[in-house]
Amino acid sequence: SAVISQKPSRDICQRGTSLTIQCQVDSQVTMMFWYRQQPGQSLTLIATANQGSEATYESGFVIDKFPISRPNLTFSTLTVSNMSPEDSSIYLCSVARLAGVSYEQYFGPGTRLTVT
Amino acid sequence: AQSVTQLDSHVSVSEGTPVLLRCNYSSSYSPSLFWYVQHPNKGLQLLLKYTSAATLVKGINGFEAEFKKSETSFHLTKPSAHMSDAAEYFCVVSEEPSNTGKLIFGQGTTLQVKP
Repeated sequence: SAVISQKPSRDICQRGTSLTIQCQVDSQVTMMFWYRQQPGQSLTLIATANQGSEATYESGFVIDKFPISRPNLTFSTLTVSNMSPEDSSIYLCSVARLAGVSYEQYFGPGTRLTVT
Repeated sequence: AQSVTQLDSHVSVSEGTPVLLRCNYSSSYSPSLFWYVQHPNKGLQLLLKYTSAATLVKGINGFEAEFKKSETSFHLTKPSAHMSDAAEYFCVVSEEPSNTGKLIFGQGTTLQVKP
């Protein structure tokens, strides 16, 4: 498994501002992801955080809105830029490790963001 | 493209009775399937996974799931519900065949356990 921590655990922000969320893993991992979970909804993948190169974004998510850094194999940040109330969600980072013939994915505790 | 459909958005059972959470999948390949649980204000925890080995998979906390290719189903069961099982459950399929590690989540099923 993997121990994943996120900072902050929650925040209340004003519209138009930006928030950077940090994700720290207790050991080196190749694959790291960022997800969004809107209120009462399931998880949606935002992007794959690639170490040493630009993140790979899923359809509907763009780098200008959700810039991601991945300076090494244990750390990543996600910034939610120019926030609006629609960005109020839980943001989760996860890591994937190969277990047998498939990957197992482990999730951080999440960052609960409220935009007013 | 892969997808999963959780057939019930909300399931309510009495403590001590069986639990059945239904999931159907769609995949052109032999899928890797998972069940995750999310307790209120807590992170996601892997319950169990299927990766083309035994079709009956046992997980943590007494849960198990059976992969049925003919029915494209991967239903989650538990013989006897406990109050602590009340949570949100997600059926998940791994993106294939690129083996990117990406996961595709179902919409979730809320399990309520009544005393």
